[in-house]
Amino acid sequence: QQQVKQSPQSLIVQKGGISIINCAYENTAFDYFPWYQQFPGKGPALLIAIRPDVSEKKEGRFTISFNKSAKQFSLHIMDSQPGDSATYFCAASTRDDKIIFGKGTRLHILP
Amino acid sequence: DTEVTQTPKHLVMGMTNKKSLKCEQHMGHRAMYWYKQKAKKPPELMFVYSYEKLSINESVPSRFSPECPNSSLLNLHLHALQPEDSALYLCASSQRGGYTEAFFGQGTRLTVV
Repeated sequence: QQQVKQSPQSLIVQKGGISIINCAYENTAFDYFPWYQQFPGKGPALLIAIRPDVSEKKEGRFTISFNKSAKQFSLHIMDSQPGDSATYFCAASTRDDKIIFGKGTRLHILP
Repeated sequence: DTEVTQTPKHLVMGMTNKKSLKCEQHMGHRAMYWYKQKAKKPPELMFVYSYEKLSINESVPSRFSPECPNSSLLNLHLHALQPEDSALYLCASSQRGGYTEAFFGQGTRLTVV
């Protein structure tokens, strides 16, 4: 019940295309859903986050869509660029500060 | 300033050594975390401190001992580690009270020989 399921495990997208990563959860105690981007040898960097009472949030080329009834959320990267090639983690947090990560998606953008 | 600083960046230690990892943040965050990350895996929660008190221990072996001397500092004391403990150790901090988004440091790459 504490899990966050993430798919796909890896993704290859052409430059300029849309990258889509999906996540699902079971625990209704999760009240916040951040996404992290991680480059090799670096710590995860917070990308964008959403509350469950919001259905969509957009920041630049990054958009989170949230479906509370289905307990699913997704990250869309528009106009994907080679510099976006990284590992992306969805996460879910609870009010007692617990943050659980999905297994990650290795994204590769072809030049 | 959204920076979490970890030292050292790299550490090699023998199985009988005692060493410490250090973490510092000056964002006024009241929750601080230790995560462990193996290659090609997600960060795995180890400990959470809230208001300088240990609030979550994810059944971590006692050879890992956390310490929070004050609201800005977090240490992880290491003793009698095993080679399988080699990993990237990440520190993070967040503002408490729901809608928790954590900011991570760059990590300490630990190798146990």
